[in-house]
Amino acid sequence: DIQMTQSPSSLSASVGDRVTITCRASQIINSYLNWYQQKPGKAPNLLIYAASSLQSGVPSRFSGRGSGTDFTLTISSLQPEDFATYYCQQTYYVYQTFGQGTKVEIK
Amino acid sequence: QITLKESGPTLVKPTQTLTLTCTFSGFSFSTSGVGVGWIRQPPGKALEWLALIYWDNDKRYSPSLKSRLTITKDTAKNQVILTMTSVDPVDTGTYYCAHTQRSGSYSSWGQGTLVTVSS
Repeated sequence: DIQMTQSPSSLSASVGDRVTITCRASQIINSYLNWYQQKPGKAPNLLIYAASSLQSGVPSRFSGRGSGTDFTLTISSLQPEDFATYYCQQTYYVYQTFGQGTKVEIK
Repeated sequence: QITLKESGPTLVKPTQTLTLTCTFSGFSFSTSGVGVGWIRQPPGKALEWLALIYWDNDKRYSPSLKSRLTITKDTAKNQVILTMTSVDPVDTGTYYCAHTQRSGSYSSWGQGTLVTVSS
């Protein structure tokens, strides 16, 4: 099975901070990596697809990098509405897998 | 505008079969590359990918649940049906359906439906 490991599992940050979340795949997935944001009680929202492409309507403070097995999601300047849980997802293999999530909390 | 909505029972007894329906609008399985996936989320836990069906009837399943899942589509009704057999309390959670193109990223999601497995 392809495992997706996110780090950290949670973090505390302040408005205006630069935040980086890492996602590591247990096998090579090229650039078949997506990032989602989920707020409590809501469905996930696609932020980044194909590792670095910004989904339409998503603020430019969100960016993604990486290929192969190591990926990052960066929020350049954290805003109040960004406090949420973030998930990575690989779609390289026949079956897909999500990471365990990273919760971004207010410091 | 793409919309999806999940429907099905809110309470299921252990060992029973769960059937969920995703009804969508704004896209069609007549379009090449279109797919609909199912993802679930136990209370307070992470997302778990379950299954995916494409416009050409290509079907994909989570290896750990493959023996219990069946995904089908009704192109005329714009619906995707997910069946899960032999449910257990650990299957309790919110079940989402979502739209994808061949890339596999889910750009539109339903609101989710909470399913509780309990006797």
